[in-house]
Amino acid sequence: EPEVTQTPSHQVTQMGQEVILRCVPISNHLYFYWYRQILGQKVEFLVSFYNNEISEKSEIFDDQFSVERPDGSNFTLKIRSTKLEDSAMYFCASSEARGPAYNEQFFGPGTRLTVL
Amino acid sequence: GQNIDQPTEMTATEGAIVQINCTYQTSGFNGLFWYQQHAGEAPTFLSYNVLDGLEEKGRFSSFLSRSKGYSYLLLKELQMKDSASYLCAVRRGKTSYDKVIFGPGTSLSVIP
Repeated sequence: EPEVTQTPSHQVTQMGQEVILRCVPISNHLYFYWYRQILGQKVEFLVSFYNNEISEKSEIFDDQFSVERPDGSNFTLKIRSTKLEDSAMYFCASSEARGPAYNEQFFGPGTRLTVL
Repeated sequence: GQNIDQPTEMTATEGAIVQINCTYQTSGFNGLFWYQQHAGEAPTFLSYNVLDGLEEKGRFSSFLSRSKGYSYLLLKELQMKDSASYLCAVRRGKTSYDKVIFGPGTSLSVIP
């Protein structure tokens, strides 16, 4: 069964460093998303991406964040200068185009980011 | 703005039925999701409602009343593996941009 994959599973970094979190969405999906979940808190929307551009972003997604689809398979989230409060689980998700199947977002297993 | 409320915790007995409620206030409502999340894992999709009424899917059913801003997830024949957090999430907007706002989740404990 097709699935969303994410690497690495755990990333440890020093405050102020840049990190890139990688995702491979399901191959026929056209909509891509990043969410984060701080330990013990709710899942928070960061950004949605379609047709090689950002569709919508939340107030969390400030200038320190960027997303890219560098090739036909990868979807990345970059944090330019990490802060302690960026420590969280980051989930990538993807969904198909319009239609009933479009409604379901498939989540990857997540990358746990720890900023020291 | 938007606000989604769910009970923080619930406990139910194996084999029983449990109903998890969700209320929401949001502009541009365009569908409500229920996800299951086991500790340390990603959310997994359970159901989606965009019209009023009940959607049944095996042991899980989800109900939506748009006029009341209310949904519930019904779990029947509870199993120990159903112990997890259940996340209510609302999609906003009329485009394909699919911004989904998650509630705080309800932690369900199934006991023997």
